[in-house]
Amino acid sequence: ETGVTQTPRHLVMGMTNKKSLKCEQHLGHNAMYWYKQSAKKPLELMFVYSLEERVENNSVPSRFSPECPNSSHLFLHLHTLQPEDSALYLCASSQDHGYGYTFGSGTRLTVV
Amino acid sequence: QQQVKQSPQSLIVQKGGISIINCAYENTAFDYFPWYQQFPGKGPALLIAIRPDVSEKKEGRFTISFNKSAKQFSLHIMDSQPGDSATYFCAATGTYKYIFGTGTRLKVLA
Repeated sequence: ETGVTQTPRHLVMGMTNKKSLKCEQHLGHNAMYWYKQSAKKPLELMFVYSLEERVENNSVPSRFSPECPNSSHLFLHLHTLQPEDSALYLCASSQDHGYGYTFGSGTRLTVV
Repeated sequence: QQQVKQSPQSLIVQKGGISIINCAYENTAFDYFPWYQQFPGKGPALLIAIRPDVSEKKEGRFTISFNKSAKQFSLHIMDSQPGDSATYFCAATGTYKYIFGTGTRLKVLA
C-alpha cells in the first residue's frame, strides 16, 4: 500500500470517551503533520513531527495528544473532547519542511 | 503577516472555460507556493507549485502565475472540465510555516 493511510475514516464519540486516530505513511518521508479542517476555515496546523521529534505544537488544547513512535506512524489521542472539536482531521507527510505535502483522506470526527 | 487571502470563495465556470483563482500573501519570507485540489471525502492533493524565482509555471491545463512585487499568485485552469469540480487551496510556505488559504469551491458545468 502506498501513500498516507488514515484510520478510522469516520468516528463518533461522546465527550467522555477516549479514542485514537492513526496515520501511516509508506513514502519514506521524514516529517508528519496533523491538521484540522473545519467548514469555511483555513486548514489549521496542529502538530509537526520531524524525524520523530515534535517540532511544533500550535497552541492545541491538551485534550489532543500526539504520538509518533517511528517515522512511518503518527497517532492523535483524543479525550474529553468538546462538540466544537467535530471536524475532518487530516494527516500529511513530506520529505523535509516547506515543500509539497501528501495528505491522507482524513478522519471525520463527530463529538456528541 | 501570516495570512494568505484567497478569492473567490466559490466559482462557477462553463465547460471549456478558464477558471482563475487568486491568492495574496504578506510575509516575504515565504519561498514555496503550492496549490492543492480536494475532492469530497478525500484529503487535499498537491496539484502544482512554484518558487518565487519564476513568474509562471505550467503543467498541462494548470498554470500558476506569480507576481513577486505584488505578493500575489494565481491558478489558471484552461479548458475547464466537469472533473475539475473540487475545492482548491493555495498555500505559502517557509521554514516551519505552511499557511493555507481558505479555499475556492469550483464547479464546472457540463
